[in-house]
Amino acid sequence: LAKTTQPISMDSYEGQEVNITCSHNNIATNDYITWYQQFPSQGPRFIIQGYKTKVTNEVASLFIPADRKSSTLSLPRVSLSDTAVYYCLVGDMRPNTGGFKTIFGAGTRLFVKA
Amino acid sequence: DSGVTQTPKHLITATGQRVTLRCSPRSGDLSVYWYQQSLDQGLQFLIQYYNGEERAKGNILERFSAQQFPDLHSELNLSSLELGDSALYFCASSVEAQPVGYYGYTFGSGTRLTVV
Repeated sequence: LAKTTQPISMDSYEGQEVNITCSHNNIATNDYITWYQQFPSQGPRFIIQGYKTKVTNEVASLFIPADRKSSTLSLPRVSLSDTAVYYCLVGDMRPNTGGFKTIFGAGTRLFVKA
Repeated sequence: DSGVTQTPKHLITATGQRVTLRCSPRSGDLSVYWYQQSLDQGLQFLIQYYNGEERAKGNILERFSAQQFPDLHSELNLSSLELGDSALYFCASSVEAQPVGYYGYTFGSGTRLTVV
């Protein structure tokens, strides 16, 4: 299972774009990259998932370079309510392969200031 | 509401006691995962059940056990509780044995256990 490395914390201001990068040098061919968001005392919530290039949804964008050894979660125009912990997970999406059930690291604590 | 229901939301008990945490997965999900999150710590995987059978084990103590019932709800039993067991316990569910597709896990809101 690919190990991930993220910054421990980041600060930002309301209205700014925030980019959180995750390193996963040992990513395997069948691994997908998934990001979760967790507010205090709540369960993590799925944000976005991708395999390569760029994925965009109504919440965020995910940029994955060609070598797939890193990925960047981009949050456009953050607000105070985006203050949370963001987890990068890497795992094989195929059934019975182990997935990413164990790879919740410490995540990145994002603080958005007014 | 994520569709994953955990009860109780809060639990306070004394050291040495035993408690049971309950999880009802999202409708249609066959797999249930249990995680422990201590204060300011990441999520530690404990155990996974798929359609009633244990599928994977993580860092689960011998004092802890779990099961998944025919109706797919799951219970996590914690015994001989210690102060260090105080944590948030999350349950997550997914459709397949491993998350397939673009949504992975759906987490419940957790049970906060305080051991005094």
